[in-house]
Amino acid sequence: QEQLVESGGAVVQPGKSLKLSCVASGFTFSSITMHWVRQAPGKGLEWVAVIPYDATRRYYSDSVKGRFSISRDKSKKTLYLQMDNLGSEDTARYYCVRAGGDYPPHAFDMWGQGTMVTVS
Amino acid sequence: SFDLTQPPSVSVSPGQTARITCSGDALSKQYTYWYQQKPGQAPVMVIYKDNKRPSGIPERFSGSSSGTIVTLTISGVQAEDEADYYCQSADTRATYWVFGGGTKLTVL
Repeated sequence: QEQLVESGGAVVQPGKSLKLSCVASGFTFSSITMHWVRQAPGKGLEWVAVIPYDATRRYYSDSVKGRFSISRDKSKKTLYLQMDNLGSEDTARYYCVRAGGDYPPHAFDMWGQGTMVTVS
Repeated sequence: SFDLTQPPSVSVSPGQTARITCSGDALSKQYTYWYQQKPGQAPVMVIYKDNKRPSGIPERFSGSSSGTIVTLTISGVQAEDEADYYCQSADTRATYWVFGGGTKLTVL
């Protein structure tokens, strides 16, 4: 069964750091591009970051560039998001998202249930 | 970066056809993807590459594209279709992804 399970969400103070994890199962994690997408309470979806299967490059939204870092560990089938210097604007549910799979590379075809980050 | 614009809300009666638009200059060059999100749930892809339907998505969901405007059409709307719908695309170099602001579909 294909699955993405996020963890690491918490209530943190402004300026602090937090690291999110996402464990993948049921598919070949090492060959898939992965993204983080977030959603502030009552708001829309916002793309955060992407890392290709080989981790040769990473891209970020302007709102998190320089503060967040995406990474992956193929042996653990785990995606990470290191978040530094958090602000209230980062309060959101963070989703781990698979891109492609059985669909084109830009298709977000599998989503985890998300993990909540509250900066307060 | 670029922007994708959606109407905040669309309302239809059961059995009618709902059309949700998404506009943006980038859409004339890049494919669009559509996601359905019900309250308390993660989004689910309902259309990819403008007009293709993933397996398991009902046939009443369809997509079309014309220049810089793409449209998600739900024919014969059912109560279970009430949800938020988001369009999404990427820049041509695949370095930036954008979602539209979302459209709340209300089934009257």
